[in-house]
Amino acid sequence: SRDLTQQPSVSVSPGQTARITCSGDALSNQYTYWYHQKPGQAPSLVIYKDTERPSGIPERFSGSTSGTTVTLTISGVQAVDEGDYYCQSVDSNSGYSWVFGGGTKLTVL
Amino acid sequence: QVQLQESGPGLVKPSETLSLTCTVSGGSIRSYFWSWIRQSPGKGLEWIGHIYDSGRTNYSPSLKSRVLMSVDTSKNQFSLSLSSVTAADTAIYYCGRVVADIVAIDIWGQGALVTVSS
Repeated sequence: SRDLTQQPSVSVSPGQTARITCSGDALSNQYTYWYHQKPGQAPSLVIYKDTERPSGIPERFSGSTSGTTVTLTISGVQAVDEGDYYCQSVDSNSGYSWVFGGGTKLTVL
Repeated sequence: QVQLQESGPGLVKPSETLSLTCTVSGGSIRSYFWSWIRQSPGKGLEWIGHIYDSGRTNYSPSLKSRVLMSVDTSKNQFSLSLSSVTAADTAIYYCGRVVADIVAIDIWGQGALVTVSS
């Protein structure tokens, strides 16, 4: 399988910009999705198909892509944004199975 | 609104089969596909597989030999079986609804903790 790599942690102060990256060969030709998980809760979708926001997700969340690296950007970070963020894509070399990154813990200082 | 609820034993003995059911309420199981995701304690997310309302499945290569998913459209339920479990299968198991247009989980169950222990 083709793994997805995320940095383990990101820390920012409220109002600053957080950038969470995800890299992997699978990302060169497949969409990326981002999920946010707060402690004790199920994950929730914040970005789909690289750059699209589901309804109800604030505009401060955005996604971008460059080659085999994708970035989730949270502008004007708020305390409610704290938690773990997981990228997810599809491994077309392995029967279109889903793969998740290891997760990035966002701490709002 | 649509809600998903996992149910099943919270404790399974090693070498036995883990069985969970996800009940879909507030909407139809048709026209979507459905996923099982698990999360070991303190760890990240792991995709187990999908099942379509037609019954077609797609399993994780690493779990394929032990996984079986089924769907019962009359009951608006889908199920997961994982055989020959070990302590490494201890996890929170989530079911989720996958919207085909976006190929992402838009609704998750609350999760069910399954512990493998004798």
